[in-house]
Amino acid sequence: DTGVSQDPRHKITKRGQNVTFRCDPISEHNRLYWYRQTLGQGPEFLTYFQNEAQLEKSRLLSDRFSAERPKGSFSTLEIQRTEQGDSAMYLCASSSRTSGREAKIYEQYFGPGTRLTVT
Amino acid sequence: GDSVTQMEGPVTLSEEACLTINCTYTATGYPSLFWYVQYPGEGLQLLLKATKADDKGSNKGFEATYRKETTSFHLEKGSVQVSDSAVYFCALSISSGGSYIPTFGRGTSLIVHP
Repeated sequence: DTGVSQDPRHKITKRGQNVTFRCDPISEHNRLYWYRQTLGQGPEFLTYFQNEAQLEKSRLLSDRFSAERPKGSFSTLEIQRTEQGDSAMYLCASSSRTSGREAKIYEQYFGPGTRLTVT
Repeated sequence: GDSVTQMEGPVTLSEEACLTINCTYTATGYPSLFWYVQYPGEGLQLLLKATKADDKGSNKGFEATYRKETTSFHLEKGSVQVSDSAVYFCALSISSGGSYIPTFGRGTSLIVHP
């Protein structure tokens, strides 16, 4: 188990360009989440997948954002026509159902994040 | 909606001092409560959790007790170390159609001096 990995760790792009981030979850985890974190704030939920199905999207996820998890393993988050307000840390997390009496509690394991700077 | 309020930081302590980071929550149902820690340049790590009233979560010398009557989940440690310097996030998770998506507080930065 190598944990959740994200690529790239840092991305600098010019306003108007498209960017794509990748997340590789822990292999046996069926749920994958994307969050955005700005300085001095906690993570804000963007979207999540159960296997390959995208089950929920936040209102924060504008039409310029799209996420995929085609085979239920890795996921990509694409931002089209980036704006300076998109500058943030983008976090990925994965989880699976724990066993026992806490079976309904999905503990999330986070990746190191991708820091996006839009100039 | 559901929300988490944490004390503002930074909290600055000397090594071996006692730590308390306050966290209160508002939830429409019966949430599970979590503390996450984020070290510089890293993602969040689950520190401890509690799933029902009066449960005490503990890990690495940190403790927090789920207090339903005061809707609180304060983080405590009896003797902090320099290596505890990080940002600490309180979070709640409650079933919403089976999603259990957590709501995070804004984080409290802890700085421990030698």
